[in-house]
Amino acid sequence: GQNIDQPTEMTATEGAIVQINCTYQTSGFNGLFWYQQHAGEAPTFLSYNVLDGLEEKGRFSSFLSRSKGYSYLLLKELQMKDSASYLCAVRSQAGTALIFGKGTTLSVSS
Amino acid sequence: GAGVSQTPSNKVTEKGKYVELRCDPISGHTALYWYRQSLGQGPEFLIYFQGTGAADDSGLPNDRFFAVRPEGSVSTLKIQRTERGDSAVYLCASSARPSGGDTGELFFGEGSRLTVL
Repeated sequence: GQNIDQPTEMTATEGAIVQINCTYQTSGFNGLFWYQQHAGEAPTFLSYNVLDGLEEKGRFSSFLSRSKGYSYLLLKELQMKDSASYLCAVRSQAGTALIFGKGTTLSVSS
Repeated sequence: GAGVSQTPSNKVTEKGKYVELRCDPISGHTALYWYRQSLGQGPEFLIYFQGTGAADDSGLPNDRFFAVRPEGSVSTLKIQRTERGDSAVYLCASSARPSGGDTGELFFGEGSRLTVL
């Protein structure tokens, strides 16, 4: 079976840094994705990791360790608009569907 | 089209009725996915098409759920004898390739919110 775990909720303040962790157990591995989903909207793509290491994209970075089945999404210089659900998703084999975790709801306060 | 389009955006039906949900993917995208999402949960995989054929339908919860993509573009998710537990947002996504050198990023539609009374 496949299992993807991430914290249910996190809170942070404007301007801070937050790290959202994701652990996964899958039958194979062909990439890990992070998506952002604002309430009532569709998920939108944030980042992709297939090799170990850190991928940086502006205020957002994502890290992967395949040996540990672990990833994190790092959000810097938090803004109120970053309040959303952050979804970790894994593709176990090439040409298969993404399997999503339950998502982490991040609340950013001023 | 410019993005993934789903209709209807909202559907209210009575228990036991039949429902069809439509997805129009981004033009040229060969892969199409159906997910459903309940409040506070992540998207739950239902079925994945590569072209006209269902490459993986392991997520369909039971035989009341069925999906087609007859011409490799538009897809219809069909739910027979709806139950209250089927109430959720049904999300459709498409991608340019199922695998390969790019990320295989999924582009999602806004979803169809189904409420079964």
